[in-house]
Amino acid sequence: NAGVTQTPKFRVLKTGQSMTLLCAQDMNHEYMYWYRQDPGMGLRLIHYSVGEGTTAKGEVPDGYNVSRLKKQNFLLGLESAAPSQTSVYFCASSYSTKGGGAFFGQGTRLTVV
Amino acid sequence: GEDVEQSLFLSVREGDSSVINCTYTDSSSTYLYWYKQEPGAGLQLLTYIFSNMDMKQDQRLTVLLNKKDKHLSLRIADTQTGDSAIYFCAENNYGQNFVFGPGTRLSVLP
Repeated sequence: NAGVTQTPKFRVLKTGQSMTLLCAQDMNHEYMYWYRQDPGMGLRLIHYSVGEGTTAKGEVPDGYNVSRLKKQNFLLGLESAAPSQTSVYFCASSYSTKGGGAFFGQGTRLTVV
Repeated sequence: GEDVEQSLFLSVREGDSSVINCTYTDSSSTYLYWYKQEPGAGLQLLTYIFSNMDMKQDQRLTVLLNKKDKHLSLRIADTQTGDSAIYFCAENNYGQNFVFGPGTRLSVLP
């Protein structure tokens, strides 16, 4: 049982380049989330989805786009990467928000130079 | 808005108990969670407590909830070097996402 899988695990981008981070979960969860983790700031929610075909903005959505075309996948896109987007990105999923908690992927370490 | 606060660092001796504290502002928080993050890894759910409970125990872990003071704590008994990690408190109020604290880095000294 793989749980939540993120690809890639590491990436270096040049300023202005674009990329897509892929998140896949095999637990049939409705809710999926993208967070970024920066030192001393904990986790900040970028975008989330409450079901297939739906997306919503979180706390820090600027510069990112997302899509949830299939229930098991949640994609995070950077159209024009900036050094401020250097961070560790985590995807998570949950069955609901009523107990149970969220399950996290292993993270993607992104460096924008 | 919702806010979750934690102290950033805690050091304990191996074999002692660790107590990690958390405060939150949303009085309607329904579920409160503790996660553990080891270096280079994602967050692992340790335990959670429903807001109508005062305490929950799971092996070496004890969660205490003071709803009046909006204070949550995680006690780790007989702390081991393998417990060294960052511990995150998180809350949810039947909303559509989870709000995390900044994390407490626990260092276990031999």
